[in-house]
Amino acid sequence: GENVEQHPSTLSVQEGDSAVIKCTYSDSASNYFPWYKQELGKGPQLIIDIRSNVGEKKDQRIAVTLNKTAKHFSLHITETQPEDSAVYFCAASRGGSQGNLIFGKGTKLSVKP
Amino acid sequence: DAGITQSPRHKVTETGTPVTLRCHQTENHRYMYWYRQDPGHGLRLIHYSYGVKDTDKGEVSDGYSVSRSKTEDFLLTLESATSSQTSVYFCAITHGQSETQYFGPGTRLLVL
Repeated sequence: GENVEQHPSTLSVQEGDSAVIKCTYSDSASNYFPWYKQELGKGPQLIIDIRSNVGEKKDQRIAVTLNKTAKHFSLHITETQPEDSAVYFCAASRGGSQGNLIFGKGTKLSVKP
Repeated sequence: DAGITQSPRHKVTETGTPVTLRCHQTENHRYMYWYRQDPGHGLRLIHYSYGVKDTDKGEVSDGYSVSRSKTEDFLLTLESATSSQTSVYFCAITHGQSETQYFGPGTRLLVL
């Protein structure tokens, strides 16, 4: 069946460095790719998303890139801060199914001061 | 949390007992979803609803049933809880025709 693979599972960076998380998807019909941040004890929060007709999207320190041909997309966080420490999930829409998302298994990001 | 509340927030129950989790939303969203979250598995879709009395199965629906008798409430029922259903359960909604999902605060369930 369709799946989304996410790497790495853990990532540790120094404050101020950049962090990159990568995902690959298998469903050719996927056309929507959100990224979520989850802090301990809370529900996932949408931080940025991208649609298949766009190659890159930025929002302040966060950017997402999409390569449809290779079926992979990435999250880039620049100038990381301790408050960026959390678990990040990528997801891809399930083709032909309104709103249904397939999630990656998550990346635990630690930003050391 | 996009106007979503979940109840209870924490529950401990015994194997074989029925359990119902409630998701409540106040903004008349049509689509609602139930996920479970387990270490090493991310978020997995259990069931979803696209309107009152309209529901469908997700990827891990075995052992779960749902009901939606009114727009604002989406109930998840474990007819006979098992230890493998120990998990954190999240409800989500989408706004209108958007594919963006917004999540509730979660319910932590422990089945002994």
